[in-house]
Amino acid sequence: DAMVIQNPRYQVTQFGKPVTLSCSQTLNHNVMYWYQQKSSQAPKLLFHYYDKDFNNEADTPDNFQSRRPNTSFCFLDIRSPGLGDAAMYLCATSRGRGQTEAFFGQGTRLTVV
Amino acid sequence: GDSVTQMEGPVTLSEEAFLTINCTYTATGYPSLFWYVQYPGEGLQLLLKATKADDKGSNKGFEATYRKETTSFHLEKGSVQVSDSAVYFCALSSTQGGKLIFGQGTELSVKP
Repeated sequence: DAMVIQNPRYQVTQFGKPVTLSCSQTLNHNVMYWYQQKSSQAPKLLFHYYDKDFNNEADTPDNFQSRRPNTSFCFLDIRSPGLGDAAMYLCATSRGRGQTEAFFGQGTRLTVV
Repeated sequence: GDSVTQMEGPVTLSEEAFLTINCTYTATGYPSLFWYVQYPGEGLQLLLKATKADDKGSNKGFEATYRKETTSFHLEKGSVQVSDSAVYFCALSSTQGGKLIFGQGTELSVKP
């Protein structure tokens, strides 16, 4: 009974070709996060939604966009993937902005060729 | 700003050895503290948490105590197993916005 589901698990895209990663949750949590994790590094927060309120990290490249059409779904759009965007992308949810734990999906491994 | 520092890996232990992974933090106020575990090719799973000073989080034989006086949250396990091989991340939930801030991760390898 997975609670945060990411699709696909593995995605291969061409250099410069737009790609969308998806995340869904069955927890009815208010907050959804997107993290980028490169090999042997800590996850890096790209942005998060508190309900429909979008919060972008200051150093997130403009190439990365996100949509949250409803509580359950959130999408990460990479408009023009470069080789440096190859990474594991992690979606997570939490009940609120307070000091509650986050629940992570299994991640999508993005390869750019 | 808030930050988390973990001991560097990789850490290699024999089965049934004692494990300590050090974690210290810098934060404004009283953050919640977490340990997450990541198995190869997988997302992060919450291992344990503590929300206030002197709280002890525990799960699956792992323990960590929130020490405000030393700003630490060291992870310990008395007897590791091969199946504990993974990357362990210490994290805090910032009092400013609540977002998770991770340490750099410590890779643990347990040999039979």
